[in-house]
Amino acid sequence: AQSVTQLGSHVSVSEGALVLLRCNYSSSVPPYLFWYVQYPNQGLQLLLKYTSAATLVKGINGFEAEFKKSETSFHLTKPSAHMSDAAEYFCAVSEGWDMRFGAGTRLTVKP
Amino acid sequence: NAGVTQTPKFQVLKTGQSMTLQCAQDMNHNSMYWYRQDPGMGLRLIYYSASEGTTDKGEVPNGYNVSRLNKREFSLRLESAAPSQTSVYFCASTPDDANSIGELFFGEGSRLTVL
Repeated sequence: AQSVTQLGSHVSVSEGALVLLRCNYSSSVPPYLFWYVQYPNQGLQLLLKYTSAATLVKGINGFEAEFKKSETSFHLTKPSAHMSDAAEYFCAVSEGWDMRFGAGTRLTVKP
Repeated sequence: NAGVTQTPKFQVLKTGQSMTLQCAQDMNHNSMYWYRQDPGMGLRLIYYSASEGTTDKGEVPNGYNVSRLNKREFSLRLESAAPSQTSVYFCASTPDDANSIGELFFGEGSRLTVL
């Protein structure tokens, strides 16, 4: 089965700094890749998804992710962190109906 | 918009007790999921249902049963709860069109503690 690995269970940035959350996937075929965000005591929300149409994918709240086949990566970035970005972020890969999630990265934003 | 509704939100059980987690969606989706979320492990799929009357095992189905009696509702049952089933459970559904692959809509979760 396909899988994703998120590097770093916790990331801390200052407000206004670059956000970089790392995700690597394992797949023998072109994958569907996703980033989801979870705010405290809530369910997950879709942030963005990659379906092979374009390697740079823009999502909500100023986030974007770049698919790099040579590195089997799908890292999530945001140029300038905001306090409201503090949440847990999950990378996921889909093989048909089977969605597999990474372990998650908790983002803390310091004032 | 109600979206995906889960009940109960919190539950405490003793080892060996049984209970059912309820999930209902009002978005007319065929596909529904049950996940469990544990610290450091992300979300793991318990069961999936493609439509009414059909279910498939996911990554961690042992100790659980599911029922998809109609299009709206997908329930998860623990017949004999164990402490290892202490977790947060999420129900999700997804639209049926090909452009929406992987776009899951989640409920707010059900926090279960087994003593």
